[in-house]
Amino acid sequence: EVQLVESGGGLVKPGGSLRLSCAASGFTFRSYNMNWVRQAPGKGLEWVASISSGLSHIYYAHSLKGRFTISRDNANNSLYLQLNSLRAEDTAVYFCVGGAAHSEIYYYYGMDVWGQGTTVTVSS
Amino acid sequence: EIVLTQSPGTLSLAPGERATLSCRASQNVDRIYLAWFQQKPGQAPRLLIYGASSRATGTPDRFSGSASGTDFTLTISRLEPEDFAVYYCQQYISSPYTFGQGTKLEIK
Repeated sequence: EVQLVESGGGLVKPGGSLRLSCAASGFTFRSYNMNWVRQAPGKGLEWVASISSGLSHIYYAHSLKGRFTISRDNANNSLYLQLNSLRAEDTAVYFCVGGAAHSEIYYYYGMDVWGQGTTVTVSS
Repeated sequence: EIVLTQSPGTLSLAPGERATLSCRASQNVDRIYLAWFQQKPGQAPRLLIYGASSRATGTPDRFSGSASGTDFTLTISRLEPEDFAVYYCQQYISSPYTFGQGTKLEIK
């Protein structure tokens, strides 16, 4: 079964840090471009960051201003997101999302694998 | 940054009716890289359409996508009760991989 399972969310104070993890199974992780997408309470989807299958291309949403870092470990089928200098507006469900890579940049079939999400709450 | 604008914000229809959802891009998007997602409350989004018109695995054939220039359309030919949800378009040709703001399809 194709599966992405996120972990690492929780309650953190403004200015704090968290590291989110995503464990992949049931597919060839190293052949997938991976992303983090978030959704604030009652709001729409917001793409956060992307890392290509071979780690050569990394992109971030402009609004993050260098506070988040995406990484992956293909040997252990894992994706990570380091969140620093957290703000109240970072409160959201964070989804781990993947798609089969067509080159390091493009996708064969779009972003078709989603985890169930992990909740990050930033509050004092 | 490519901005995607979805319309309408809310669409009220009855089961059995036809639904037409729109997504307009602020600049040219190669149709190969436009997707549609469905999201139900408390669930992760589900990919319905990729490449503007290709159905993802498991997508019923009552869902179809089309493109004309910078305008993209998701059509549900005959609404089933399980189709009432929020729908998002997304472009994945260039970072940032933006989403539209969503269209809520509700039961009339």
